[in-house]
Amino acid sequence: AQSVTQPDIHITVSEGASLELRCNYSYGATPYLFWYVQSPGQGLQLLLKYFSGDTLVQGIKGFEAEFKRSQSSFNLRKPSVHWSDAAEYFCAVGASLNNDMRFGAGTRLTVKP
Amino acid sequence: NAGVTQTPKFQVLKTGQSMTLQCAQDMNHNSMYWYRQDPGMGLRLIYYSASEGTTDKGEVPNGYNVSRLNKREFSLRLESAAPSQTSVYFCASKERAYEQYFGPGTRLTVT
Repeated sequence: AQSVTQPDIHITVSEGASLELRCNYSYGATPYLFWYVQSPGQGLQLLLKYFSGDTLVQGIKGFEAEFKRSQSSFNLRKPSVHWSDAAEYFCAVGASLNNDMRFGAGTRLTVKP
Repeated sequence: NAGVTQTPKFQVLKTGQSMTLQCAQDMNHNSMYWYRQDPGMGLRLIYYSASEGTTDKGEVPNGYNVSRLNKREFSLRLESAAPSQTSVYFCASKERAYEQYFGPGTRLTVT
């Protein structure tokens, strides 16, 4: 089965600074890749997704992610972080050959004023 | 259009008690999922159902059973609850390769 690694458990950035959250996946075939955000006490909301085509995908709230097949990565970026971006972020990989979905352990983002 | 709904929102059980978590979706999705979320572990897949009438084990199925009652409903049963099953449980649904839609979660405590 596929798997996902998010190397950073917790990241702190200053408001207005740029952000990059890392995600590496393992899957033998074409992956479907997702980033979700979870605010405290809430469910998960989809930020963006990659199925095929352009490897740079744009999402909601000013986020983007780049799929790099050679590095098995799908890192999430934002040029300027806002205090409201403080949350937990999950990368997920879906399999093209079945309906299994696997999530990373998450990265908690703290935004300093 | 309610999306994915879960009941109950909160539950406290004693060790050995049983209970069923209910999940329903009104988006006509084929696939449904049950996850548990624990601090530092992210979401771990318990069971999923690719379509009505089928279920498959995920990463952590031990201690759980599921039923895909119809296309809308997918329930998760704990036959004999253990403290290790204290967690937040999320149900999700999706259509084919598209993104999953999540319910609001059930916070379960087993004492």
